[in-house]
Amino acid sequence: GQQLNQSPQSMFIQEGEDVSMNCTSSSIFNTWLWYKQEPGEGPVLLIALYKAGELTSNGRLTAQFGITRKDSFLNISASIPSDVGIYFCAGLRNTGKLIFGQGTTLQVKP
Amino acid sequence: DTEVTQTPKHLVMGMTNKKSLKCEQHMGHRAMYWYKQKAKKPPELMFVYSYEKLSINESVPSRFSPECPNSSLLNLHLHALQPEDSALYLCASSQAGTGGLSGANVLTFGAGSRLTVL
Repeated sequence: GQQLNQSPQSMFIQEGEDVSMNCTSSSIFNTWLWYKQEPGEGPVLLIALYKAGELTSNGRLTAQFGITRKDSFLNISASIPSDVGIYFCAGLRNTGKLIFGQGTTLQVKP
Repeated sequence: DTEVTQTPKHLVMGMTNKKSLKCEQHMGHRAMYWYKQKAKKPPELMFVYSYEKLSINESVPSRFSPECPNSSLLNLHLHALQPEDSALYLCASSQAGTGGLSGANVLTFGAGSRLTVL
């Protein structure tokens, strides 16, 4: 079935470092979403991208919708301990179905 | 109100029990979803209700039975579950149902119901 390749699978970084993760697909998506999930909680939307080439920021987070509509990346600048969690990319097809990446587990060492 | 509320937060049940998970949203969203999530894995779609009608069933076993009593409520009835059904069950909602405008299909998730089947 439809899959998104999300990388890296996990990251263990020092507080203050920048983080980059990305998702790629063999198919085109109309919308790219980035969610963060903390233990015991549901995914929380971080950034939504609606147009190819779009670059959007939310505080220390920046995400881009790839020009080919087949990829997206998320950057986190100056990481802090509360950035810990699992980050999921998700692509939205024109059928309305949301396809998730496998997730990137982020750990931040104070 | 910008929340999706799920109850109970935790549920432990035996394989012969009948229980229900409940979900509520008051954002005026017309699509509601059930997802199943195993530890450290992405959510897997189970069901989609669009305008209170079941629009997607991802070949889910009949021991899971969804119900949408009205546009704000979504239930998941559980009966004769197996231990491998233990997971986090997530409810979500969006403004539009399948095939709607991209922005209107952005999902808002609840905190989930952690189900353990003994």
